[in-house]
Amino acid sequence: DTEVTQTPKHLVMGMTNKKSLKCEQHMGHRAMYWYKQKAKKPPELMFVYSYEKLSINESVPSRFSPECPNSSLLNLHLHALQPEDSALYLCASSRLGTSGGSTDTQYFGPGTRLTVL
Amino acid sequence: GENVEQHPSTLSVQEGDSAVIKCTYSDSASNYFPWYKQELGKGPQLIIDIRSNVGEKKDQRIAVTLNKTAKHFSLHITETQPEDSAVYFCAAGNTNAGKSTFGDGTTLTVKP
Repeated sequence: DTEVTQTPKHLVMGMTNKKSLKCEQHMGHRAMYWYKQKAKKPPELMFVYSYEKLSINESVPSRFSPECPNSSLLNLHLHALQPEDSALYLCASSRLGTSGGSTDTQYFGPGTRLTVL
Repeated sequence: GENVEQHPSTLSVQEGDSAVIKCTYSDSASNYFPWYKQELGKGPQLIIDIRSNVGEKKDQRIAVTLNKTAKHFSLHITETQPEDSAVYFCAAGNTNAGKSTFGDGTTLTVKP
């Protein structure tokens, strides 16, 4: 199984709402990522979890709150978002290994299309 | 940090022709160079990658070359087909840093 799944596929929320995005993988990967992608732009890294611990936060506003409950699940909690936060939110995972055989091959999910009204 | 430049931003070829997309990177510590294909409404999918200890890698119609001295790498697609039409992203990363930086993408259109 080389699949990363994301739910929901589409989400529309108001600026006062609280919602969550969910990502799941069953490949035994120990690194998981959240990216934000605007139209016609490359993915922008937001957060990286390594062995269920937050290892990278690319100065993301606190209205985005990541959570990694276990090695297969990654959540992104959303609160008080702005219309400019509307984008495709992508989750990815990769296998961690020793420095001699490490790989950064990332497997992406299909994304959640978020619209903030 | 790493900076990746990708050219061209758009590329249109006739079916059966070859397509070449080029990327340059700035950080000499980068050691991993993946290429992703993103179709409309989908997430990026890895199509080929190369590591800094290899100069060239090929997988059927797709090949990637890496010139570490010049800090550039290229994607070559031969015998293009309409289903190759998509946005292609290069990326450069340091596996010890745990992240990669993406280029801005190339929109490839293959005309039947």
